[in-house]
Amino acid sequence: SYVLTQPPSVSVAPGQTATITCGGDNIGRKSVHWYQQRPGQAPVLVVYDDSDRPSGIPERISGSNSGNTAILTISRVEAGDEADYYCHLWDISSHHALFGGGTKLTVL
Amino acid sequence: EVQLVESGGGLVQPGRSLRLSCAASGFTFDDYGMYWVRQAPGKGLEWVSGITWNSAGVDYADSVRGRFTIARDNAKNSLYLQMNTLTTEDTALYYCVKGGDTYGLDAFDVWGQGTMVTVSS
Repeated sequence: SYVLTQPPSVSVAPGQTATITCGGDNIGRKSVHWYQQRPGQAPVLVVYDDSDRPSGIPERISGSNSGNTAILTISRVEAGDEADYYCHLWDISSHHALFGGGTKLTVL
Repeated sequence: EVQLVESGGGLVQPGRSLRLSCAASGFTFDDYGMYWVRQAPGKGLEWVSGITWNSAGVDYADSVRGRFTIARDNAKNSLYLQMNTLTTEDTALYYCVKGGDTYGLDAFDVWGQGTMVTVSS
């Protein structure tokens, strides 16, 4: 079965750039979505279809996807970005959704 | 305002049943596929089940197939999850989630706040 691999944690200082990866076999051929989950809150969609942002999501949050790695990039990191981030894609043949294990972003 | 409100969670003994409900508002409910996603305490997200706009297609994670049943009532703008033969592994916060235009392809663009299910003797 298809597996999505995320680093358990990423730490970054305020104002710097955070990079969160999501690895999978030929993931670049699939459409990847990203969610932010702040402590005690429901997940929120921050990037869909690899690199598109829903309305209300700041431009400093961006996504890319190529080869075996999808990437969520958060520029000019703020304290409010501290959260868990999950990647998600669909196994189209089975209509099953898959999530990565999640990455905890810590703002130092 | 687009909103999903779950209800029906609670404490239940292993082997028993529970039915979750989700009330949708602020969008044309019968235009979209709907899903349940759960999150065990301190753990990550796990997709549970999905249903197409017209109930013609339903899908389940292997961990719940044969025990859970997803359903919807478009006249009532409501989504349901019937959970039978519950085990301690089903203990989680259950989210009702709205899909995009294409079932089984698009992102989950709206999430409810979740309803907690605790399976314990």
